[in-house]
Amino acid sequence: ETGVTQSPTHLIKTRGQQVTLRCSSQSGHNTVSWYQQALGQGPQFIFQYYREEENGRGNFPPRFSGLQFPNYSSELNVNALELDDSALYLCASGWTGQAKTQYFGPGTRLLVL
Amino acid sequence: AQTVTQSQPEMSVQEAETVTLSCTYDTSESDYYLFWYKQPPSRQMILVIRQEAYKQQNATENRFSVNFQKAAKSFSLKISDSQLGDAAMYFCAYRFLGGATNKLIFGTGTLLAVQP
Repeated sequence: ETGVTQSPTHLIKTRGQQVTLRCSSQSGHNTVSWYQQALGQGPQFIFQYYREEENGRGNFPPRFSGLQFPNYSSELNVNALELDDSALYLCASGWTGQAKTQYFGPGTRLLVL
Repeated sequence: AQTVTQSQPEMSVQEAETVTLSCTYDTSESDYYLFWYKQPPSRQMILVIRQEAYKQQNATENRFSVNFQKAAKSFSLKISDSQLGDAAMYFCAYRFLGGATNKLIFGTGTLLAVQP
């Protein structure tokens, strides 16, 4: 167990809808990152939040947005869902220090129909 | 741009035997970490082993060890005395230390089957 939790575990949406995924970080961590893992692929970095601000983003459009709360929980919001958004969404929490690694949650499986 | 390549989509090993998973990466940076993560069917990404690029000594964690060849940009994972519980998808990942984020760049994974 990594101490990182995500909800829900599974979700089904239709194209054009909006979705919010949630992550609760391990106690003491000050960064939260989100990754998208398409079937049969490695995770792709969406963005990272540090001190409630987005401080880095991968190659994802603005309809992917997020929030980080003072208790280091986080949300990933995706607007105008597309079929290609179907994937496993992973959050990872960690520290900004160089000597540390990240700990992943179990993921949310999103299916867009 | 940094990239990570895993050229073995699937591997199989007999229980108690040794298997090596390959990974190559491309970067122009000198300060970075390399990781091997395990993802079982439960989907939880679990850190197996980590290597700091500045360290010449290969990292070891119990039955897991790496062969880190910095000049060749190669980072293979050796699993000794394979167990049924080792069956999973294994991902090699790279992290640049100079950026503002903890961004990991992953390979496409190697699915490891362990035969009893």
